[in-house]
Amino acid sequence: NAGVTQTPKFRILKIGQSMTLQCTQDMNHNYMYWYRQDPGMGLKLIYYSVGAGITDKGEVPNGYNVSRSTTEDFPLRLELAAPSQTSVYFCASSPGVPDTQYFGPGTRLTVL
Amino acid sequence: AQSVAQPEDQVNVAEGNPLTVKCTYSVSGNPYLFWYVQYPNRGLQFLLKYITGDNLVKGSYGFEAEFNKSQTSFHLKKPSALVSDSALYFCAVRPASRAGSYQLTFGKGTKLSVIP
Repeated sequence: NAGVTQTPKFRILKIGQSMTLQCTQDMNHNYMYWYRQDPGMGLKLIYYSVGAGITDKGEVPNGYNVSRSTTEDFPLRLELAAPSQTSVYFCASSPGVPDTQYFGPGTRLTVL
Repeated sequence: AQSVAQPEDQVNVAEGNPLTVKCTYSVSGNPYLFWYVQYPNRGLQFLLKYITGDNLVKGSYGFEAEFNKSQTSFHLKKPSALVSDSALYFCAVRPASRAGSYQLTFGKGTKLSVIP
């Protein structure tokens, strides 16, 4: 049981490039989330999904897009990367609310 | 809007001594409250949560937290600190009553250092 996995672990992007951060969970959880963690700022919710085909914006969605075609996968797309998107990105899942969220190991992204 | 305050950026405690990591919150109505721990270069791990019922919640690794509604606090405690408890601790809240509100609001985190 791998839990929540994220790829890649690290990535450096140039300004204006695009990329997709992958997130997969094998716990059959309906709810999935994307957060970003900036130093000294806690976690901010970017997007979340309550099931396949259903996504919604969180607190800081600008510059990002998501899709949820399957229960297992919840990729996060960055279009036109900007230095302000330099952060550590965490994916999480939960069986419901207010159930415990299970976090992946994170992706450290630097935009130069 | 809901918010969480963790007033201490860092807490230092000697091994074997009791530890407390403070958290206060603001939310409309009743809260759901959570504590998570983050070890270096790792994702967050769940410690404990308060949903309803007993104000004293026991969680993983010997941690516990006390929900105090009048003081809007949910402080994390452990009777005897271990060096391995050194990590970053996050408190989080969401309103209980708002249907469809899936957003957890996290505090900024408190770095706990347990000194041998």
